[in-house]
Amino acid sequence: DQQVKQNSPSLSVQEGRISILNCDYTNSMFDYFLWYKKYPAEGPTFLISISSIKDKNEDGRFTVFLNKSAKHLSLHIVPSQPGDSAVYFCAASAFFPVRAQKLVFGQGTRLTINP
Amino acid sequence: EAGVTQFPSHSVIEKGQTVTLRCDPISGHDNLYWYRRVMGKEIKFLLHFVKESKQDESGMPNNRFLAERTGGTYSTLKVQPAELEDSGVYFCASSQAIYEQYFGPGTRLTVT
Repeated sequence: DQQVKQNSPSLSVQEGRISILNCDYTNSMFDYFLWYKKYPAEGPTFLISISSIKDKNEDGRFTVFLNKSAKHLSLHIVPSQPGDSAVYFCAASAFFPVRAQKLVFGQGTRLTINP
Repeated sequence: EAGVTQFPSHSVIEKGQTVTLRCDPISGHDNLYWYRRVMGKEIKFLLHFVKESKQDESGMPNNRFLAERTGGTYSTLKVQPAELEDSGVYFCASSQAIYEQYFGPGTRLTVT
């Protein structure tokens, strides 16, 4: 049962344009969401997060939007740079039944920024 | 500040053998997690330590997997005996706060 889904395995964007990565979830108990970036042969690197009490969080070129009614979040990168080429993972954690600190990950989206 | 380190980076063993993976968390991080990524799929939770205690081991696949965290510092994950389906990349992560977890580079385990 895939509770966090990233339906696009890959995305190709031109340098300087906006990259939009999407993530859907099914568990209504999730209350905290994170995006991780992963380069080959490295571990995931924390990028940005958002609490369920917010609908937007911004950090430099990265913005995460959360639509709780649709159980959907997205990561916007603008402007996209060649160094942004990586696999991006969406992750979520739940507060019930206890503060479950484990992260539930999506399958990842491979982003390629073309010059 | 040193990040999460894992050893070895790559291990190739035969089915039925034993392998022990090691993780050194970021200094001062009480929370330590193990995750696994199999066949390029999603990263899946295995277990969570708070200091030396197992907080959540709901993701451990079976009793062939044994995790320990001696003195609340480094952790080991032993697979005994290894099976073909255990192949994958094993990640360790640590955190101080509840939310953001910092990952190590992973150990790629290949069981032949």
